[in-house]
Amino acid sequence: AQSVTQPDIHITVSEGASLELRCNYSYGATPYLFWYVQSPGQGLQLLLKYFSGDTLVQGIKGFEAEFKRSQSSFNLRKPSVHWSDAAEYFCAVGVDSNFGNEKLTFGTGTRLTIIP
Amino acid sequence: NAGVMQNPRHLVRRRGQEARLRCSPMKGHSHVYWYRQLPEEGLKFMVYLQKENIIDESGMPKERFSAEFPKEGPSILRIQQVVRGDSAAYFCASSSWTGLGEQYFGPGTRLTVT
Repeated sequence: AQSVTQPDIHITVSEGASLELRCNYSYGATPYLFWYVQSPGQGLQLLLKYFSGDTLVQGIKGFEAEFKRSQSSFNLRKPSVHWSDAAEYFCAVGVDSNFGNEKLTFGTGTRLTIIP
Repeated sequence: NAGVMQNPRHLVRRRGQEARLRCSPMKGHSHVYWYRQLPEEGLKFMVYLQKENIIDESGMPKERFSAEFPKEGPSILRIQQVVRGDSAAYFCASSSWTGLGEQYFGPGTRLTVT
C-alpha cells in the first residue's frame, strides 16, 4: 500500500529565510503527488501537483517542489518565506483505484512557524 | 462562485447520539470525497461518492458510519451512536472528474463527542 512520510513535525523559520519541507513516499508505480496547505481552522488548499513531465513543479504563493524518483521524494521549497506562510503543510500521493477515482493518502503534516 | 461548503462547522454530540455532516460540492462537481483528520494526524480517506452511488467506501468503518449523495441536495456523512473516538475534523472534497481530477476541500466539520 502507498504511504507518505513527512519527517519534520514542526519547523521554525525566520521571515525572509528559505524553506524546504521534506516528503517521502512509498508507491510501486509513478505517483501523483500533491502539496496542500491548511491554515488554522480552515480546509486544505492545493499548492501544487505533479503528474508527469518536468520534475520541478511551480505552484501558488511562490512555492515549488521537485520530484526525485531515485529518492522517492517530493520536497517543497520557497526561497523567501512570509509571515503569512505559517500553517500546516501536507504532502499527499494520489492513487488510481480500481474504481477509476483517485484517493489521496496524506502525510501527517509539517507545522511551519515563522519568526520575525 | 462558492467553493465546497460544509455544515455545521462545529458539532457537539453526547455519546450515543447521531451526527449528521453535510457537504455541498462546488458548482458543476459531481464527485465527493470524505476524509477524517484525527488530532495530530493527516487526513484519512473514508469514502468516494458520485450522485446516488457509493463508488469506494474502503476507508469507512464497517459499523455506525454511512454516507450518501442524493440526486438533489448535499452529501451526508452520518455517524450513529457516536463514541469519543469519533471526535475529529471531517473534511469533504469535490472534483469535476475522476482519474486525476483536482480535489477542492471544504472548511471541515469539527465533531466533538462528550
